[in-house]
Amino acid sequence: GAVVSQHPSWVICKSGTSVKIECRSLDFQATTMFWYRQFPKQSLMLMATSNEGSKATYEQGVEKDKFLINHASLTLSTLTVTSAHPEDSSFYICSATPGGTSAFGYTFGSGTRLTVV
Amino acid sequence: TQLLEQSPQFLSIQEGENLTVYCNSSSVFSSLQWYRQEPGEGPVLLVTVVTGGEVKKLKRLTFQFGDARKDSSLHITAAQPGDTGLYLCAGDMRFGAGTRLTVKP
Repeated sequence: GAVVSQHPSWVICKSGTSVKIECRSLDFQATTMFWYRQFPKQSLMLMATSNEGSKATYEQGVEKDKFLINHASLTLSTLTVTSAHPEDSSFYICSATPGGTSAFGYTFGSGTRLTVV
Repeated sequence: TQLLEQSPQFLSIQEGENLTVYCNSSSVFSSLQWYRQEPGEGPVLLVTVVTGGEVKKLKRLTFQFGDARKDSSLHITAAQPGDTGLYLCAGDMRFGAGTRLTVKP
């Protein structure tokens, strides 16, 4: 089955620094990947849709300049949290599916726990 | 924005009991997905329902899609401690708030 790998699984960074999170589709090509954020004991909130070779589409209320998304290849999307602050601490998860779009569900990465101190 | 409302938010039951989780919306979806998430991990897809009125079974789990394709339910028969987790419904890449299920031995 489709496998999505996320790296790192956890990261601690200082306030003001930037952190890059990688999302890879291991055995399929993904023209579209999705980035979510999940706060403790809450559901997943869609942040943005990452499109290979073009600009990401951000959800309302998500700052483009703060959460930089790059989807430079068909198997890799990256999310960079710039000038991180403690309130950015969260669980970030990506998802993708073979073929780019599917009404039949998506495969999720194992998530990245970001802690900003 | 299409909102998905899940109920109940929390559910704590004894092993062997049955339970039903609901996912409702005022919007029509072409399909709905159910996921289960363990702490510190990404959600894992359980099932996708596509056709109005559809019923799908996955061992002790029964999923139903409403006739109008606006709602769905998940029924678990004879729950086991291993069923403990966060159950999420999703449509058009957006998730409901989830139902946190605890099954006590």
